[in-house]
Amino acid sequence: AQSVTQLDSQVPVFEEAPVELRCNYSSSVSVYLFWYVQYPNQGLQLLLKYLSGSTLVESINGFEAEFNKSQTSFHLRKPSVHISDTAEYFCAFNQGGKLIFGQGTELSVKP
Amino acid sequence: GAGVSQTPSNKVTEKGKYVELRCDPISGHTALYWYRQSLGQGPEFLIYFQGTGAADDSGLPNDRFFAVRPEGSVSTLKIQRTERGDSAMYLCASSTTSGIYNEQFFGPGTRLTVL
Repeated sequence: AQSVTQLDSQVPVFEEAPVELRCNYSSSVSVYLFWYVQYPNQGLQLLLKYLSGSTLVESINGFEAEFNKSQTSFHLRKPSVHISDTAEYFCAFNQGGKLIFGQGTELSVKP
Repeated sequence: GAGVSQTPSNKVTEKGKYVELRCDPISGHTALYWYRQSLGQGPEFLIYFQGTGAADDSGLPNDRFFAVRPEGSVSTLKIQRTERGDSAMYLCASSTTSGIYNEQFFGPGTRLTVL
């Protein structure tokens, strides 16, 4: 079955430190991958997506993710996090129009 | 413009009761999706509509769950004979059309608690 695994349920980091949130997928067909973010008391928002082309995709607030087909991964990274990045992050792929989500990673940025 | 809205934001009901959850998609969006998110889990797909018809209802857990979208805009998720295990956040999303390239915009959700 096609699935998404987020390897860390919680990631605590200090402000201005780098962070990596890990995501692995399992699929026998072409994948279209997404990272969504859910800030406290807000709805899910699209952070970035990979559909085709360059395997490195970036968001407007400094996050980036790299699609690695050989390792079936789509890890999310940021070189220097801010307090405002504290949120839950979900990796997902699109299967026939519907999104299949991972379990989520709670990023907690401390001063 | 306005985003996806969901009402009510919170719903508390008793086991065995019937509930309806409403979703107002972004104007002009023809595709509408329902997901359920249990505590500590990622959202799980329930059903999606393209226009008025359900294009994929494979995620509905059983026949107590039903959803409609009679005029191709507002959708209602209906749960009969609620059980404590139905307690979760119910999320609605919409997109311009269905398919892999179209971003799904999510509403704030309805938190359902079954006592």
